[in-house]
Amino acid sequence: QVQLQESGPGLVKPSETLSLTCTVSGGSISSYFWGWIRQPPGKGLEYIGFISHSHSESPNYNPSLKGRVTMSLDTSENQFSLKLNSVTAADTAVYYCAGTRLWLSWSYWGQGALVTVSS
Amino acid sequence: ETVMTQSPASLSMSPGERATLSCRASQNVNSNLAWYQQKPGQAPRLLIYGASTRATDIPARFSGSGSGTEFTLTISSLQSEDLAVYYCQQYGNWPLTFGGGTKVEIK
Repeated sequence: QVQLQESGPGLVKPSETLSLTCTVSGGSISSYFWGWIRQPPGKGLEYIGFISHSHSESPNYNPSLKGRVTMSLDTSENQFSLKLNSVTAADTAVYYCAGTRLWLSWSYWGQGALVTVSS
Repeated sequence: ETVMTQSPASLSMSPGERATLSCRASQNVNSNLAWYQQKPGQAPRLLIYGASTRATDIPARFSGSGSGTEFTLTISSLQSEDLAVYYCQQYGNWPLTFGGGTKVEIK
């Protein structure tokens, strides 16, 4: 059974970079699609982007994030990561990493990491 | 982007009743539609993909139907543990988008 765990700072200052890592266990990172989805407190879900081993050179990002997003894979550590730069309070959310073998319907989810943007 | 509109925003029903949740896409997504269940304080769980295929270990009381722009999630006999917010998500067009959710409450 694939399990995911997010890790990273829970507090980020405005204008700085949010960095999160998702550690995958129970499956090879080379065999699935991986994504990041966020949920502002009390609100709905927003797609951030996805990456896979075959798409590692051209991950897909949500245009609404205006080029602030970078995702990458680390096959040696079985991890993938998210970087979101120039953050504002509007980026405060629970960030979920997710994975799937089904094309972009997300079978596996991490427990979520709350990231607060505040000075 | 493809806007996903869910209705109703909330519904309150008794155990054993049939619940019907709707999801409408602003443009054709074919059968590239998933449904998720999110219980309070938990991550979402995949219920349905490909508009009508139940994910692994999902009870048979959950079923999905539709294609194109109109989709339905049916819970045939509501159980107390079905208290949750249900989201649809399309993956037929970029970027992937989610609906605003339907909150299901149990009387």
